[in-house]
Amino acid sequence: DAGITQSPRHKVTETGTPVTLRCHQTENHRYMYWYRQDPGHGLRLIHYSYGVKDTDKGEVSDGYSVSRSKTEDFLLTLESATSSQTSVYFCAISESGGYQPQHFGDGTRLSIL
Amino acid sequence: KNEVEQSPQNLTAQEGEFITINCSYSVGISALHWLQQHPGGGIVSLFMLSSGKKKHGRLIATINIQEKHSSLHITASHPRDSAVYICAVRNNAGNMLTFGGGTRLMVKP
Repeated sequence: DAGITQSPRHKVTETGTPVTLRCHQTENHRYMYWYRQDPGHGLRLIHYSYGVKDTDKGEVSDGYSVSRSKTEDFLLTLESATSSQTSVYFCAISESGGYQPQHFGDGTRLSIL
Repeated sequence: KNEVEQSPQNLTAQEGEFITINCSYSVGISALHWLQQHPGGGIVSLFMLSSGKKKHGRLIATINIQEKHSSLHITASHPRDSAVYICAVRNNAGNMLTFGGGTRLMVKP
C-alpha cells in the first residue's frame, strides 16, 4: 500500500471554528490532491499541489486553503468551518499527475455542527 | 450535464454472474481510471488506460476513444466484489481527474 496517512480520521467541530486536515506521504510523489466526497456528488477536487509551494484550485475550492511546505505534507485548512463543509475528505498522491494512478488515503470524516 | 456519466447507478447480482459497468464521457481525454471504493471507505486504483483493454485477475477494463466510452467487466463475480466502482477521466488540459458518480455493486451469495 502507498504510504499515505491522513489525520485526524474523524473530527467533530462547531461552525465558525478553524480546522486543519493533514496529509502525509512517504512515497516522495510530486502531486498531492484534496477531494471531498458527498452523497450525490461523487469525488470533487478541492485543491491540488504539483510541488513544494506550488498549488492550484479545483472545482470546489471556495472556503478552503492549502499549503505545502514540504514534499511529504499537504495541509487543507477551513478558515471558518460551515455546515456545508461536513463531508468525507480524501487525500491522494500521484507521481505524475493524471498519467499515473492516484493512491488514496483512508479519508477524514468531518462533521461541522 | 456531467462530464462523466456512469451506468447503472446501482447493480445487484448473484454470485458467479458476469457484470458490466459503463462509463461515458463528453470531453477529450488522455487517460481514464477505474477505482474501487470498499464499504469501509477506502479507495483503490484498479486500472488506468488510454486505449484498448487491460486485464487483472477477474477484472477487465476496455475503452473506445472514438465513442468516448469505457466498460469495466467482472467475470465470475463474488460477494467480496461488492463495492462502489468509480470512473474518472483526465482531460487533455491538465493534471486533474473528473469523477463519475459511481456504481454501487452488490453481489449476493
